[in-house]
Amino acid sequence: SYELTQPPSVSVSPGQTARITCSGDALPKKYAYWYQQKSGQAPVLVIYEDTRRPSGIPERFSGSSSGAMATLTINGAQVEDEADYYCCSTDSSGIQWVFGGGTKLTVL
Amino acid sequence: EVQLVESGGGLVKPGGSLRLSCVGSGFSFTNAWMNWVRQAPGKGLEWVGRIKSKADGETRDNAAPVKGRFTISRDDSKHTLFLQMNSLQTEDTAVYYCTTLMKDNAGDAVDIWGHGTMVIVSS
Repeated sequence: SYELTQPPSVSVSPGQTARITCSGDALPKKYAYWYQQKSGQAPVLVIYEDTRRPSGIPERFSGSSSGAMATLTINGAQVEDEADYYCCSTDSSGIQWVFGGGTKLTVL
Repeated sequence: EVQLVESGGGLVKPGGSLRLSCVGSGFSFTNAWMNWVRQAPGKGLEWVGRIKSKADGETRDNAAPVKGRFTISRDDSKHTLFLQMNSLQTEDTAVYYCTTLMKDNAGDAVDIWGHGTMVIVSS
């Protein structure tokens, strides 16, 4: 079955740039989506279609994709950005959606 | 207010069945492709399945772990999504979310999640 691979954890100091990667064989042809999930809450979409930011998401969140890797970048990470982040995409058929294993972002 | 509200979770014995519901409001439910996503305690997100809109054929697709056991359906007249879960296993224990990702008139993404409903499969 198709898999998306993320690092388990990323740690930065406040104000630094955090980068979270997501690798998958179908990413060169399929969009990546990024979700933020804070403890006890439902996920929130922060990036869609590789690079687009939904209304209401701070500009410090950006996305990029190159080859088989998508990247979520948080410029000037803040304490309130501490959360689990999940990438999401489809397999090559476009039918099966898959989440990455999640990355715990620590900002302290 | 744009929202999704799930219900129907609870405690069920292995091999049992449960039906979850999700009522949508404040958006065009009829045109939405609806998903179920689950999260086992302390674990990551897992896509369960999706049903397309009636206009797009109401096609259903499920993830491999639930194929043949879970069925997704919808009643657009009641703006309600269902997840019928049969032959439940302990590994199905999770919070179940309904969710949809739509585009508004400007082409921007509108992402809607429910608060989730807990399903516990245990003897």
